[in-house]
Amino acid sequence: NAGVTQTPKFRILKIGQSMTLQCTQDMNHNYMYWYRQDPGMGLKLIYYSVGAGITDKGEVPNGYNVSRSTTEDFPLRLELAAPSQTSVYFCASSYTPAGRNTGELFFGEGSRLTVL
Amino acid sequence: TQLLEQSPQFLSIQEGENLTVYCNSSSVFSSLQWYRQEPGEGPVLLVTVVTGGEVKKLKRLTFQFGDARKDSSLHITAAQPGDTGLYLCAGATPGGYQKVTFGTGTKLQVIP
Repeated sequence: NAGVTQTPKFRILKIGQSMTLQCTQDMNHNYMYWYRQDPGMGLKLIYYSVGAGITDKGEVPNGYNVSRSTTEDFPLRLELAAPSQTSVYFCASSYTPAGRNTGELFFGEGSRLTVL
Repeated sequence: TQLLEQSPQFLSIQEGENLTVYCNSSSVFSSLQWYRQEPGEGPVLLVTVVTGGEVKKLKRLTFQFGDARKDSSLHITAAQPGDTGLYLCAGATPGGYQKVTFGTGTKLQVIP
């Protein structure tokens, strides 16, 4: 079972470059999320989506953009990369049963990004 | 922005010892989850608690949700080296969107 798949796993960028982190899930989940995790820290929400065509900002959205054209895919775009964006990025998805707002987050293995 | 503070931040103990990790907030959550993350991997769900005062057990791990649904604890009995990892609590905000806020994390090392 694939679950949540992220690519690339590692990437080094120069300051000012742009790139897209890819995320796809095969569980037909409505909700998808992008988090970043800095050393020794928890996870900070960058953007999330509650379904195809609907996205919203999380805690730390500056410098990032997302789109959700399909249920399966939720790419994260970094424009004009900065050293402050050096981090490990995790994509996650979840299914919310009707009438409830609890559910397990399924995470990808992460994408380690370094901006030099 | 809801904040979830975890304590302690780091914990290094000998195999067989007991430990408790705390997760505290001033906000009320509709549910609270505990995840464990191993190096190079994404977090994996251990448990979800949804009712104030709820206690759940998972083998040697005991999870409790505070009566007011603002805090939680994780107690590990007779810790094993396999328990080593980063433990994260995560609270879900009441409302229509399942927006989850993660705690600061507790890094546990169990020494054989």
